Amino acid sequence: AQSVSQHNHHVILSEAASLELGCNYSYGGTVNLFWYVQYPGQHLQLLLKYFSGDPLVKGIKGFEAEFIKSKFSFNLRKPSVQWSDTAEYFCAVMPAADKLIFGTGTRLQVFP
Amino acid sequence: DTGVSQNPRHKITKRGQNVTFRCDPISEHNRLYWYRQTLGQGPEFLTYFQNEAQLEKSRLLSDRFSAERPKGSFSTLEIQRTEQGDSAMYLCASSERQMYGYTFGSGTRLTVV
Repeated sequence: AQSVSQHNHHVILSEAASLELGCNYSYGGTVNLFWYVQYPGQHLQLLLKYFSGDPLVKGIKGFEAEFIKSKFSFNLRKPSVQWSDTAEYFCAVMPAADKLIFGTGTRLQVFP
Repeated sequence: DTGVSQNPRHKITKRGQNVTFRCDPISEHNRLYWYRQTLGQGPEFLTYFQNEAQLEKSRLLSDRFSAERPKGSFSTLEIQRTEQGDSAMYLCASSERQMYGYTFGSGTRLTVV
């Protein structure tokens, strides 16, 4: 079955620390890849997406993600986190012409 | 304002009662999706519509669940004879094209007591 794994369930960082959140998926065909963020009390928002081309994708608020096809991975990164990045982050996969499949999410807490 | 509107925001109901949620998607989006999210989990797909046609239903959607999208505009999700296990956040999303990603609403939080 198609699935998305996010290995980090809860990450705690100090401001200015670097962030990398892991995401692996199990699907052998063409996929579109997404990262969504959910700030406390708010709706899911799209951070970035990958369809094709450059495997390094830049999103909003200084986030980027790298698609590594051989590793079935799409890890999210940010060089220097801020307190306002405290949120839950969801990786999602869309096999071609199909629905979004989400991972279980990673809760990020950033302390000043 | 996200563009996708869901009502009500919160619903508390007694076990065995029926509930109905409404979703108003972004007007130019022809695809509409329902997801369910429980604590500590990512959103799980329930069903989706392209215009007024319901194209796919998850196995999670038991016979007590029904969704409609009359005239391809707003959608309703009804749960009959609610159970405590139905307590969750019910999310609606819409998209113009699947590959663009979805725009989510704020969700309806259902609590069954």
